[in-house]
Amino acid sequence: DTGVSQNPRHKITKRGQNVTFRCDPISEHNRLYWYRQTLGQGPEFLTYFQNEAQLEKSRLLSDRFSAERPKGSFSTLEIQRTEQGDSAMYLCASSSTVNTEAFFGQGTRLTVV
Amino acid sequence: AQSVTQLGSHVSVSEGALVLLRCNYSSSVPPYLFWYVQYPNQGLQLLLKYTSAATLVKGINGFEAEFKKSETSFHLTKPSAHMSDAAEYFCAVSEGFSGGYQKVTFGTGTKLQVIP
Repeated sequence: DTGVSQNPRHKITKRGQNVTFRCDPISEHNRLYWYRQTLGQGPEFLTYFQNEAQLEKSRLLSDRFSAERPKGSFSTLEIQRTEQGDSAMYLCASSSTVNTEAFFGQGTRLTVV
Repeated sequence: AQSVTQLGSHVSVSEGALVLLRCNYSSSVPPYLFWYVQYPNQGLQLLLKYTSAATLVKGINGFEAEFKKSETSFHLTKPSAHMSDAAEYFCAVSEGFSGGYQKVTFGTGTKLQVIP
Protein backbone atom coordinates (compact mmCIF):
# COMPACT_ATOMS: atom_id res chain seq x y z
CA ASP A 1 0.00 0.00 0.00
CA THR A 2 1.50 3.28 -1.07
CA GLY A 3 -0.60 5.61 1.03
CA VAL A 4 -3.62 7.80 0.38
CA SER A 5 -4.21 8.35 -3.33
CA GLN A 6 -6.21 11.22 -4.82
CA ASN A 7 -7.31 11.69 -8.40
CA PRO A 8 -7.08 13.80 -10.37
CA ARG A 9 -4.17 15.83 -9.07
CA HIS A 10 -5.29 18.90 -10.95
CA LYS A 11 -8.64 19.93 -12.38
CA ILE A 12 -9.52 23.06 -14.32
CA THR A 13 -13.20 23.60 -14.91
CA LYS A 14 -15.50 26.31 -16.11
CA ARG A 15 -17.81 28.00 -13.66
CA GLY A 16 -21.10 26.18 -13.44
CA GLN A 17 -19.72 22.77 -14.32
CA ASN A 18 -19.80 19.76 -11.99
CA VAL A 19 -16.61 18.09 -10.83
CA THR A 20 -15.90 14.87 -8.94
CA PHE A 21 -12.78 13.93 -7.05
CA ARG A 22 -11.77 10.51 -5.83
CA CYS A 23 -9.85 9.44 -2.73
CA ASP A 24 -8.48 5.96 -2.11
CA PRO A 25 -7.46 5.68 1.55
CA ILE A 26 -4.98 3.29 3.07
CA SER A 27 -6.77 -0.04 2.79
CA GLU A 28 -7.17 -0.90 6.46
CA HIS A 29 -8.26 2.60 7.50
CA ASN A 30 -11.91 2.93 8.41
CA ARG A 31 -11.90 6.71 8.94
CA LEU A 32 -11.72 9.07 5.99
CA TYR A 33 -11.64 12.86 6.06
CA TRP A 34 -12.02 15.59 3.44
CA TYR A 35 -10.46 19.03 3.89
CA ARG A 36 -10.28 22.16 1.79
CA GLN A 37 -7.16 24.33 1.72
CA THR A 38 -7.22 27.73 0.12
CA LEU A 39 -4.15 29.81 -0.67
CA GLY A 40 -2.45 31.06 2.44
CA GLN A 41 -4.65 29.05 4.78
CA GLY A 42 -4.44 25.79 6.64
CA PRO A 43 -6.71 22.87 5.85
CA GLU A 44 -10.34 23.28 6.89
CA PHE A 45 -12.47 20.27 7.74
CA LEU A 46 -15.29 19.46 5.33
CA THR A 47 -16.61 16.02 6.23
CA TYR A 48 -15.66 12.62 7.54
CA PHE A 49 -16.70 8.99 7.23
CA GLN A 50 -16.40 6.03 9.49
CA ASN A 51 -16.63 3.09 7.15
CA GLU A 52 -19.50 3.98 4.79
CA ALA A 53 -21.30 6.26 7.23
CA GLN A 54 -20.90 10.01 6.84
CA LEU A 55 -20.85 11.05 10.48
CA GLU A 56 -20.15 14.75 10.36
CA LYS A 57 -20.27 17.63 7.91
CA SER A 58 -18.88 21.11 8.33
CA ARG A 59 -21.00 24.16 7.68
CA LEU A 60 -18.48 24.84 4.89
CA LEU A 61 -20.05 21.95 2.99
CA SER A 62 -22.82 23.75 1.15
CA ASP A 63 -25.64 21.89 -0.59
CA ARG A 64 -23.61 22.00 -3.80
CA PHE A 65 -21.14 19.61 -2.23
CA SER A 66 -21.78 15.92 -1.72
CA ALA A 67 -19.49 13.18 -0.53
CA GLU A 68 -19.92 9.44 -0.59
CA ARG A 69 -18.06 6.38 0.54
CA PRO A 70 -20.32 3.64 -0.77
CA LYS A 71 -18.51 0.51 0.35
CA GLY A 72 -16.38 1.95 3.09
CA SER A 73 -13.34 2.00 0.84
CA PHE A 74 -12.80 4.83 -1.67
CA SER A 75 -14.65 8.12 -1.39
CA THR A 76 -15.83 10.71 -3.88
CA LEU A 77 -16.41 14.42 -3.40
CA GLU A 78 -18.66 16.09 -5.95
CA ILE A 79 -19.12 19.81 -6.40
CA GLN A 80 -22.10 20.88 -8.47
CA ARG A 81 -22.39 24.21 -10.27
CA THR A 82 -18.85 25.18 -9.40
CA GLU A 83 -18.07 28.77 -8.44
CA GLN A 84 -14.77 30.63 -8.54
CA GLY A 85 -14.72 30.52 -4.74
CA ASP A 86 -14.49 26.75 -4.91
CA SER A 87 -10.95 27.03 -6.26
CA ALA A 88 -8.77 25.34 -3.67
CA MET A 89 -6.75 22.25 -2.85
CA TYR A 90 -9.00 19.41 -1.69
CA LEU A 91 -7.21 17.05 0.66
CA CYS A 92 -8.23 13.60 1.77
CA ALA A 93 -6.87 11.85 4.84
CA SER A 94 -7.46 8.51 6.48
CA SER A 95 -6.79 6.93 9.84
CA SER A 96 -7.35 3.54 11.37
CA THR A 97 -8.96 4.66 14.61
CA VAL A 98 -9.93 7.85 16.36
CA ASN A 99 -6.57 9.03 17.57
CA THR A 100 -3.97 7.31 15.48
CA GLU A 101 -2.09 9.30 12.90
CA ALA A 102 -4.06 10.54 9.91
CA PHE A 103 -2.25 10.14 6.61
CA PHE A 104 -2.91 12.76 3.96
CA GLY A 105 -3.10 12.38 0.21
CA GLN A 106 -1.37 14.77 -2.17
CA GLY A 107 -4.61 16.58 -2.83
CA THR A 108 -6.59 17.64 -5.87
CA ARG A 109 -6.07 21.23 -6.93
CA LEU A 110 -9.26 22.68 -8.40
CA THR A 111 -9.23 25.83 -10.49
CA VAL A 112 -12.57 27.29 -11.53
CA VAL A 113 -12.32 29.72 -14.43
CA ALA B 1 -13.38 27.60 20.81
CA GLN B 2 -9.98 26.22 19.99
CA SER B 3 -7.58 28.09 17.73
CA VAL B 4 -3.93 28.39 16.85
CA THR B 5 -1.90 31.42 15.84
CA GLN B 6 1.29 31.00 13.91
CA LEU B 7 3.52 34.03 14.20
CA GLY B 8 5.20 34.83 10.92
CA SER B 9 3.84 33.60 7.62
CA HIS B 10 7.40 33.47 6.24
CA VAL B 11 10.64 32.62 8.06
CA SER B 12 14.10 32.60 6.48
CA VAL B 13 17.12 30.93 8.03
CA SER B 14 20.59 30.12 6.81
CA GLU B 15 21.57 26.53 6.27
CA GLY B 16 22.95 25.21 9.56
CA ALA B 17 21.18 27.84 11.68
CA LEU B 18 18.53 27.27 14.32
CA VAL B 19 14.97 26.89 13.10
CA LEU B 20 12.27 28.37 15.34
CA LEU B 21 8.64 28.40 14.21
CA ARG B 22 6.19 29.90 16.65
CA CYS B 23 2.74 28.64 17.54
CA ASN B 24 0.36 29.84 20.23
CA TYR B 25 -2.88 28.03 20.95
CA SER B 26 -6.18 28.71 22.60
CA SER B 27 -8.15 25.89 24.15
CA SER B 28 -10.69 25.62 26.93
CA VAL B 29 -9.46 22.16 27.91
CA PRO B 30 -6.04 20.50 27.88
CA PRO B 31 -5.17 20.37 24.21
CA TYR B 32 -3.63 17.92 21.82
CA LEU B 33 -1.15 19.78 19.62
CA PHE B 34 0.38 18.87 16.28
CA TRP B 35 2.97 20.09 13.82
CA TYR B 36 2.65 19.12 10.16
CA VAL B 37 4.92 19.79 7.19
CA GLN B 38 3.71 20.31 3.63
CA TYR B 39 6.01 20.30 0.64
CA PRO B 40 4.83 22.03 -2.57
CA ASN B 41 1.86 20.27 -4.17
CA GLN B 42 1.95 17.56 -1.52
CA GLY B 43 -0.28 16.52 1.34
CA LEU B 44 0.53 17.07 4.99
CA GLN B 45 2.95 14.89 6.91
CA LEU B 46 2.90 14.66 10.69
CA LEU B 47 6.14 15.88 12.29
CA LEU B 48 5.15 15.40 15.92
CA LYS B 49 2.26 15.59 18.34
CA TYR B 50 1.72 16.43 21.99
CA THR B 51 -0.82 14.30 23.82
CA SER B 52 -0.33 15.35 27.46
CA ALA B 53 2.64 13.11 28.15
CA ALA B 54 6.14 14.64 28.06
CA THR B 55 6.17 18.38 27.44
CA LEU B 56 9.19 18.12 25.13
CA VAL B 57 8.17 16.18 22.07
CA LYS B 58 10.65 14.84 19.57
CA GLY B 59 9.57 14.29 16.00
CA ILE B 60 10.92 13.22 12.68
CA ASN B 61 13.77 14.88 10.76
CA GLY B 62 15.36 16.27 13.91
CA PHE B 63 12.44 18.54 14.86
CA GLU B 64 11.14 18.96 18.38
CA ALA B 65 8.55 21.09 20.13
CA GLU B 66 7.97 22.10 23.71
CA PHE B 67 4.53 22.46 25.26
CA LYS B 68 4.42 25.46 27.62
CA LYS B 69 1.07 25.75 29.32
CA SER B 70 1.90 29.05 31.02
CA GLU B 71 2.69 30.64 27.67
CA THR B 72 0.06 28.65 25.70
CA SER B 73 2.81 27.94 23.22
CA PHE B 74 4.04 24.98 21.20
CA HIS B 75 7.00 26.29 19.23
CA LEU B 76 8.80 24.05 16.74
CA THR B 77 12.59 23.97 16.70
CA LYS B 78 15.45 22.29 14.91
CA PRO B 79 19.07 22.95 15.90
CA SER B 80 20.48 23.04 12.38
CA ALA B 81 18.49 23.79 9.25
CA HIS B 82 18.95 21.71 6.14
CA MET B 83 18.01 22.71 2.61
CA SER B 84 15.46 19.90 2.57
CA ASP B 85 13.58 21.57 5.45
CA ALA B 86 12.25 24.25 3.11
CA ALA B 87 8.51 23.73 3.20
CA GLU B 88 5.35 25.04 4.82
CA TYR B 89 4.68 24.11 8.42
CA PHE B 90 1.29 23.97 10.09
CA CYS B 91 0.51 23.97 13.79
CA ALA B 92 -2.80 22.38 14.79
CA VAL B 93 -4.85 21.95 17.97
CA SER B 94 -7.57 19.62 19.15
CA GLU B 95 -9.47 19.95 22.41
CA GLY B 96 -8.90 16.47 23.67
CA PHE B 97 -8.72 13.84 21.01
CA SER B 98 -11.70 11.63 21.51
CA GLY B 99 -13.39 13.02 18.47
CA GLY B 100 -10.91 12.32 15.75
CA TYR B 101 -9.31 14.52 13.13
CA GLN B 102 -12.48 16.37 12.24
CA LYS B 103 -11.97 18.19 15.52
CA VAL B 104 -8.48 19.42 14.61
CA THR B 105 -8.05 23.13 13.82
CA PHE B 106 -5.07 24.11 11.70
CA GLY B 107 -3.14 27.36 11.74
CA THR B 108 -2.49 29.42 8.63
CA GLY B 109 0.99 28.04 8.15
CA THR B 110 4.59 29.30 8.12
CA LYS B 111 6.71 28.99 5.01
CA LEU B 112 10.31 28.20 5.87
CA GLN B 113 13.00 29.30 3.46
CA VAL B 114 16.51 27.92 3.93
CA ILE B 115 19.28 30.04 2.46
CA PRO B 116 22.45 28.26 1.36
